[in-house]
Amino acid sequence: EPEVTQTPSHQVTQMGQEVILRCVPISNHLYFYWYRQILGQKVEFLVSFYNNEISEKSEIFDDQFSVERPDGSNFTLKIRSTKLEDSAMYFCASSSGQVYGYTFGSGTRLTVV
Amino acid sequence: GENVEQHPSTLSVQEGDSAVIKCTYSDSASNYFPWYKQELGKRPQLIIDIRSNVGEKKDQRIAVTLNKTAKHFSLHITETQPEDSAVYFCAASRSGGGADGLTFGKGTHLIIQP
Repeated sequence: EPEVTQTPSHQVTQMGQEVILRCVPISNHLYFYWYRQILGQKVEFLVSFYNNEISEKSEIFDDQFSVERPDGSNFTLKIRSTKLEDSAMYFCASSSGQVYGYTFGSGTRLTVV
Repeated sequence: GENVEQHPSTLSVQEGDSAVIKCTYSDSASNYFPWYKQELGKRPQLIIDIRSNVGEKKDQRIAVTLNKTAKHFSLHITETQPEDSAVYFCAASRSGGGADGLTFGKGTHLIIQP
């Protein structure tokens, strides 16, 4: 069964540093998403991406965040000037846009120290 | 935007009994309602979903009901087993896989007592 792949599985970064989280969505999927889950809390939508541009974004997705599809397979989330409160699990997801449903990756645990 | 409320936050049931988790949503344009099971440190796993043109859907021990008029949907797990212990999230989406993402509830920690 096709999977959404995320790397790294765990990243530790110093406060103020920039991090890039990477995702490889399912190859024939058209919509890509990033979600965040702070430990013990709900999963929160950050942004959706289609046809090389942002489709929708939440209030969380401010100027600190950016997304990019640098090539035909990768989908990245960049967090500039990380803060302690950015520590969370970040999930990438993708959907075909034709069949109902979203496929989630296994997540990247970001720890800001 | 959409707001999804989920209750209870914790549910403890005896093994073999049934468990019911309830969610309400605010956006009448929401059309797709999945339920996810999440084990500690893992990704959310889809266990069942329902679309707004269907009132009920069942898959073995799991069923979901949807009341679009009242804007609420529920997860029913029968004959609960220890491996059902996890956090369960409901979610809602307008497109079910398009431009909008999922809005999740706060989760229910289901504990199955042996």
